[in-house]
Amino acid sequence: GENVEQHPSTLSVQEGDSAVIKCTYSDSASNYFPWYKQELGKGPQLIIDIRSNVGEKKDQRIAVTLNKTAKHFSLHITETQPEDSAVYFCAASTPGGADGLTFGKGTHLIIQP
Amino acid sequence: NAGVTQTPKFQVLKTGQSMTLQCAQDMNHNSMYWYRQDPGMGLRLIYYSASEGTTDKGEVPNGYNVSRLNKREFSLRLESAAPSQTSVYFCASSWGNMNTEAFFGQGTRLTVV
Repeated sequence: GENVEQHPSTLSVQEGDSAVIKCTYSDSASNYFPWYKQELGKGPQLIIDIRSNVGEKKDQRIAVTLNKTAKHFSLHITETQPEDSAVYFCAASTPGGADGLTFGKGTHLIIQP
Repeated sequence: NAGVTQTPKFQVLKTGQSMTLQCAQDMNHNSMYWYRQDPGMGLRLIYYSASEGTTDKGEVPNGYNVSRLNKREFSLRLESAAPSQTSVYFCASSWGNMNTEAFFGQGTRLTVV
């Protein structure tokens, strides 16, 4: 089955700086790559996703890049703000998608004031 | 719209006791999922239901059973709880076959003593 590796497990950046979280996946058939943000005591919430026919996608301060050849994808957050502090999960899904997402182990992002 | 609703939010069980976690969604989604979240492990799929009337095992199904009661409701049952099942449980739903956003509930924090 699919295996998703996520790095780093903890990332501390100064407010206003950029943050980058990286993930690799093992199943070349995977074609959907969402990123979820989880705040303390809440369920994960989708912040951005990308499909395998696209190399990059941007939504305001958040961007995701995908390299299908290397089987890795990354989340980029620019101009970080205190409210960006949370745990971020990458995930991958195979065609069809009904059998669920395989998640990375998460990155705890800490924004230092 | 409430989205995905899980009950209860917190539960303490003694080893060997049984209980059912309830989940309901009001988005008319086809697919529903149960994940467990443990520190440093990310989210792992327990069982999923691709459509009403079907259920399948995920990555960590041992010790659990599920029922897709109707399109809205998907329950998770622990027949004989064990301390290893202490975790936070999340229910999620999605359209499924189109690899679209999965919506998560707020979680159930279960402690087995």
